[in-house]
Amino acid sequence: DIQMTQSPSSMSASLGDRVTITCRASQDIGNYLSWFQQKPGKSPRRMIYGATNLAAGVPSRFSGSRSGSDYSLTISSLESEDMAIYYCLQSIQYPWTFGGGTKLELK
Amino acid sequence: EVQLVESGGGLVQPGRSLKLSCAASGFTFSNYYMAWVRQAPKKGLEWVATISTSGSRTYYPDSVKGRFTISRDNAKSSLYLQMNSLKSEDTATYYCARLGPGSPYYYVMDAWGQGASVTVSS
Repeated sequence: DIQMTQSPSSMSASLGDRVTITCRASQDIGNYLSWFQQKPGKSPRRMIYGATNLAAGVPSRFSGSRSGSDYSLTISSLESEDMAIYYCLQSIQYPWTFGGGTKLELK
Repeated sequence: EVQLVESGGGLVQPGRSLKLSCAASGFTFSNYYMAWVRQAPKKGLEWVATISTSGSRTYYPDSVKGRFTISRDNAKSSLYLQMNSLKSEDTATYYCARLGPGSPYYYVMDAWGQGASVTVSS
């Protein structure tokens, strides 16, 4: 199985900060990497697909990038509504696997 | 508007069965692969099953293979998850999710239901 190692598991940041969350894949997954946001008591929401593509309706302050086997989600200027847990997902090979999640809190 | 509405959750004893349903609307259901994803209390997301547009191909992780069955009724725009031999570790909120359009492996999970809670306990 492909392991997705997500870091950090939690972090606190201030409004306006630039924030980066990373997932490292244990095998080559190409660009079959998505990012999801989940707020308390809510269903997940897709933010990024294909490693770098912004999903419909997602603010442009969110972006995705890839460097080798490392995939990153960046928020260019943190807003209060971005406080949530973020998950990555690889979908190139079954079983599909999620990262462990990153809880983003306000400092 | 795309809508996915799960139903059928509840409290069930270990070893028993439960069937979840997901009613889809706002899109041509038969054109999309579909999936189930679960989340145990205070835990992360876990992919549970995927089904092709016709239902001829299904995929599961080892944790549920042989116990869970995903199926669909395109005429009713409905997705199902039959869960047998339930264990306490199957306790979770179960979400249905749409895959696609286009490659279901690239355009994953662009719409989610609100979730159905399943508790396995005696």
